[in-house]
Amino acid sequence: AQSVTQLDSQVPVFEEAPVELRCNYSSSVSVYLFWYVQYPNQGLQLLLKYLSGSTLVKGINGFEAEFNKSQTSFHLRKPSVHISDTAEYFCAVSGGNQFYFGTGTSLTVIP
Amino acid sequence: DTAVSQTPKYLVTQMGNDKSIKCEQNLGHDTMYWYKQDSKKFLKIMFSYNNKELIINETVPNRFSPKSPDKAHLNLHINSLELGDSAVYFCASSRTGGARWGEKLFFGSGTQLSVL
Repeated sequence: AQSVTQLDSQVPVFEEAPVELRCNYSSSVSVYLFWYVQYPNQGLQLLLKYLSGSTLVKGINGFEAEFNKSQTSFHLRKPSVHISDTAEYFCAVSGGNQFYFGTGTSLTVIP
Repeated sequence: DTAVSQTPKYLVTQMGNDKSIKCEQNLGHDTMYWYKQDSKKFLKIMFSYNNKELIINETVPNRFSPKSPDKAHLNLHINSLELGDSAVYFCASSRTGGARWGEKLFFGSGTQLSVL
């Protein structure tokens, strides 16, 4: 079975500072990895995904993530955050015919 | 045009009532889902349909019954509502097999269900 652990439930960061949101997964099979963002009162939107190939994946809004197979991690990063990045971020893995989501990290950007 | 639309956005009801949430996608996708997001933001799959056929039916009380009249619609009917059913329910779709092929999910904006 697959599972996802997001190590930080809340991450406050000052505007224009860098941020890293951590995600670890466990799986007995090859998986696909995703980061979704949820703005207040909205559904989730895909930020980026890793299927294969280059372990560094670039997504929308300046976010990127690095797949590390040996550490079973898929951390999300942004070099300089904006107020508009305040949202809930979910890491997810797909295995078989299901998606498995982490419990989310609430990113708050402080002016 | 909204890709995945669900109605109503808010649903406030009494315990014991029966209610439905409707979902429609105009993306031509084959697979649709219902997810439940609890107060701690945990997102859990409830059901998945592929071309009107049920393919995922997680451990969900029998009071929850999905219905897919065609592949563009997946409705959720809930009987005898309980306090614990209060949550945000999200409809989603994917182009074909979804997770199996690493496809992205397209989510609706959610239905906030409050059972009093």
